[in-house]
Amino acid sequence: EVQLVESGGGLVQPGRSLRLSCTASGFTFGDYAMSWVRQAPGKGLEWVGFIRSKAYGGTTEYAASVKGRFTISRDDSKSIAYLQMNSLKTEDTAVYYCTRERQQQLAYYYYYYMDVWGKGTTVTVSS
Amino acid sequence: DIQMTQSPSTLSASVGDRVTITCRASQSISSWLAWYQQKPGKAPKLLIYKASSLESGVPSRFSGSGSGTEFTLTISSLQPDDFATYYCQQYNSYPITFGQGTRLEIK
Repeated sequence: EVQLVESGGGLVQPGRSLRLSCTASGFTFGDYAMSWVRQAPGKGLEWVGFIRSKAYGGTTEYAASVKGRFTISRDDSKSIAYLQMNSLKTEDTAVYYCTRERQQQLAYYYYYYMDVWGKGTTVTVSS
Repeated sequence: DIQMTQSPSTLSASVGDRVTITCRASQSISSWLAWYQQKPGKAPKLLIYKASSLESGVPSRFSGSGSGTEFTLTISSLQPDDFATYYCQQYNSYPITFGQGTRLEIK
């Protein structure tokens, strides 16, 4: 069974750091790009960032709201994706979902959509 | 950034109804659009990708259409399990953006 399990959430003070993990199983993790999406309480979905597979450079993309503060990385040997969150703000309070990205190709371009989601982990930033 | 606007924000319908949710992009995204269903306290679930391709395992009463800037999600005959919030999402370019969601309620 394909599964993503997030961990590492919790209560943290503004300005502090937290690292989330996403442990994958049931598929060849290294073959897939991965993303993080968050949802503030009572709000809609907000894309946080994305990391390509090593075969496509392992490069990353970020939302403007987190760029320079959050870093996505991956350890293919452990089938884990990470979201390192620094300089946390109260507005970062949300459920954070890890997603697997399915790739589509058109000519020289690649497009990715989220086909598998974890159950999420809650991050609360408060003093 | 590409803005995604869904309408309506809330939709009241009955079991057996045919319902349509619209999603508009602020610029052309070709067919790079996905639809997700989310129930309270649960993770979103992929329904449709590339505007009209049905994800494996998703009931055939769900369908998607459109290209460019205007897209629709149609549920042909509502079932009790379909009452949820639906989101469109463009994956044409970064940053990835979602619509604000459409809450489908029981009338």
